[in-house]
Amino acid sequence: QKEVEQDPGPLSVPEGAIVSLNCTYSNSAFQYFMWYRQYSRKGPELLMYTYSSGNKEDGRFTAQVDKSSKYISLFIRDSQPSDSATYLCAMRGYGQNFVFGPGTRLSVLP
Amino acid sequence: GAVVSQHPSWVICKSGTSVKIECRSLDFQATTMFWYRQFPKQSLMLMATSNEGSKATYEQGVEKDKFLINHASLTLSTLTVTSAHPEDSSFYICSARDQSSSLGELFFGEGSRLTVL
Repeated sequence: QKEVEQDPGPLSVPEGAIVSLNCTYSNSAFQYFMWYRQYSRKGPELLMYTYSSGNKEDGRFTAQVDKSSKYISLFIRDSQPSDSATYLCAMRGYGQNFVFGPGTRLSVLP
Repeated sequence: GAVVSQHPSWVICKSGTSVKIECRSLDFQATTMFWYRQFPKQSLMLMATSNEGSKATYEQGVEKDKFLINHASLTLSTLTVTSAHPEDSSFYICSARDQSSSLGELFFGEGSRLTVL
């Protein structure tokens, strides 16, 4: 079992839809959780970060962490074609390096 | 957010030559930087961890004599692909960890596309 699992997609949704992206993990020591967005041929861009469990909202983006289920989510409201990208989750424990999920390719159709 | 600059963004070289890629943290200090390789439509593959003032730590299967890493200052790490071959053609990305932040976020450079002819 990989340390971080993520559905690679591709996930296609119509413009305006609510998108749900998810990662599961196996290491209960993970405390810091990040979501990155990567456009084609570009470096990943940090979107959201959370520490431990709970929700965090920033504009159209909401990150959720459920440590009891070892499950994190990123929700995108009112999705736009410009949201089409690969979304990577990343997580780490204290004093550890980040472990990345393989990424989910999202396509928002106009 | 913090900015990490990577240069060059793309490079074409002949087989057998060496290519150097620079990674700079522009507005924060980074004692640790990371180098990744990414093939089309695949995820990031960590190659090595670059530590300021000491030797880099390479992931299993990555040739340290092929991919030379130098981290001479708190804002600069370089990756040199030595004696490049066509199979080294790839997208190379660096990241730097913001040590001043309690979360220790990773910020990525824009990536460098290497094509070896």
